Amino acid sequence: AQKITQTQPGMFVQEKEAVTLDCTYDTSDPSYGLFWYKQPSSGEMIFLIYQGSYDQQNATEGRYSLNFQKARKSANLVISASQLGDSAMYFCAMREGPGGYQKVTFGTGTKLQVIP
Amino acid sequence: EADIYQTPRYLVIGTGKKITLECSQTMGHDKMYWYQQDPGMELHLIHYSYGVNSTEKGDLSSESTVSRIRTEHFPLTLESARPSHTSQYLCASSDGAVQPYEQYFGPGTRLTVT
Repeated sequence: AQKITQTQPGMFVQEKEAVTLDCTYDTSDPSYGLFWYKQPSSGEMIFLIYQGSYDQQNATEGRYSLNFQKARKSANLVISASQLGDSAMYFCAMREGPGGYQKVTFGTGTKLQVIP
Repeated sequence: EADIYQTPRYLVIGTGKKITLECSQTMGHDKMYWYQQDPGMELHLIHYSYGVNSTEKGDLSSESTVSRIRTEHFPLTLESARPSHTSQYLCASSDGAVQPYEQYFGPGTRLTVT
């Protein structure tokens, strides 16, 4: 079974609009962490936002917020006020288990294109 | 600001050649990783290291090998390159003691084997 599922291969959004990128995960470990990374066409991976399984509040970082629904095992990324520079691949990832010595599994990614 | 470097950025090489992809980080991170990624596709972990003299194979079988003799350096070697090795290789590091343990990535090496 896929541990991280991103069902949207591609998404379009109008500039200045908000967009939600979906991510569902599968784990039986009570302690885990969820990450979102951005990969522009240049190839580097940029860390955007993190949500821990025990965090009570949804994570926010500037225009990025994470809609964490634990019971549904979803961790959707919301980008508000989209900008042309947001056009990129977006990957959801999960670390299972406590501590930093656990491997991270990445999803297949969503390609976001922002339209002027 | 993350400081993780990969060289070369682009490499075109013939079949059968031995190649080493370099990765260095200046953050003192204990954990380092190598991922293989085809264009527009997911990342596959091929090697990782918890620290000096520690190396483990990842989830995706790879004919490459790695070494970790110094904390800051984690090179990946292919003894005999083949066209099936054509891909992007991403190196990453993380601090296993500092939450949220996010990984910092290098710019990647795009390898083409002809």
